[in-house]
This record gives sequence, C-alpha cells and structure tokens, in this order.
Amino acid sequence: DIQMTQSPSSLSASVGDRVTITCRASQSISSYLNWYQQKPGKAPKLLIYAASSLQSGVPSRFSGSGSGTDFTLTISSLQPEDFATYYCQQSYSTPRFGPGTKVDIK
Amino acid sequence: QVQLQESGPGLVKPSQTLSLTCTVSGGSISSGGYYWSWIRQHPGKGLEWIGYIYYSGSTYYNPSLKSRVTISVDTSKNQFSLKLSSVTAADTAVYYCATTNYYDSSGYSSFDYWGQGTLVTVSS
Repeated sequence: DIQMTQSPSSLSASVGDRVTITCRASQSISSYLNWYQQKPGKAPKLLIYAASSLQSGVPSRFSGSGSGTDFTLTISSLQPEDFATYYCQQSYSTPRFGPGTKVDIK
Repeated sequence: QVQLQESGPGLVKPSQTLSLTCTVSGGSISSGGYYWSWIRQHPGKGLEWIGYIYYSGSTYYNPSLKSRVTISVDTSKNQFSLKLSSVTAADTAVYYCATTNYYDSSGYSSFDYWGQGTLVTVSS
C-alpha cells in the first residue's frame, strides 16, 4: 500500500510569492502523480497530471516536477485566487491522496 | 464539458446502506472515454477514493472498503450509483462523483471532472 505525505501541512504566503509544495510517496510511483486544488466548500480541481503536465485551462504559473518518490508543485507568483488546499494523488496503484497543504494569506 | 451531479439522502442511520446516484450530463457514460469514480472526504479531512466503474460494468474498488461497496451503472439514464453497506459514523463524509481519465496505454490517470459533492451524515 503506497502512502503519500506532503510538506508543509500549511504555509502562509503573500501575493507574488513563489510557493513550493512537496509530495513524497512511500515507494517509487514513476510519474504517476497528480495535483489538485481545493477551495472551501468546493470540489477539488485538477491542476497537474502525470507529474508535470498542465491541465487545460490551468494558469501557467502552476508547474509540477519530480519522478520516483519525490515531487513538487510550484506556484511561480501566488495570486489571490490561489489561496486554497493542495493535494497530491498517486495513480500508480489504488488511487491515494496526500493529506493536503493549506496555503493561506500571510 | 462533462458535468456531474450527486443525489441521495443526506442522513442515513447506522448499520443501514448509504445509496447515492451521480447523473452525468454533457457526455455519455457509454462513450467509453472515462471510468466513473466515487470519492469521499471526511469533514475537515483528506480525500479517499472509493472505487470506479466502466460503462461495461467492470469495477475496481478500494481494498479498504471493498467488502461494503457496490458501484453500478445505468447507461440508459446516464447515471452511476454507489451503495455502501453497514455504515457507521465513520462513513460521515462529503461524497463526490468524478470522471477518471486514462490518458493512454501507459496507465496515467486523473480525476478530471467532479460533482459538487453531497454531505451524508450517519446518525440515528
């Protein structure tokens, strides 16, 4: 059973900041890693699939990288609408999500 | 663009069966382009994939819930459904239906489109 962890669990940042969130798998998952954004009371939204592919319609300030066990989601310049919780999810085996990283306003 | 809408009782008694339906619009379940998933989120917590179904009826369930889960599809109504038996308070959650998109033969997949979610509370 592949476990997913994320760090940090929360962070405070300002508009315009560069933000990096890390996701780690308990074993290698190649590039079978997706990233989602969730705002309060809303369903998650797919941002990145296959570790680094940007979902259609998602702003280019979002990017993903990594393979194997270590992955990152980077927001190059944080915008007001980006304050949310971010989840990684492995699709290598039984789908499993990370615990989430909450990004709030500094 | 595919749209999904969950429906079903918001309150279920312990030991009973939770039943939800997801109605799909903007696309046909029978087209075969997606697998159709159920995902839940406990209050204030993370996300848990429950299982999915293909239009043909083939299913894949999370092993942690497999003994209690049944997912079925009704292509004539463009709907798929979730049944979770013997519920307890631990099954209180927001339940989402979502599309599972397999990109190619490599097996890459993701949850592309989601319903708005429906809160199901298990309580007597």
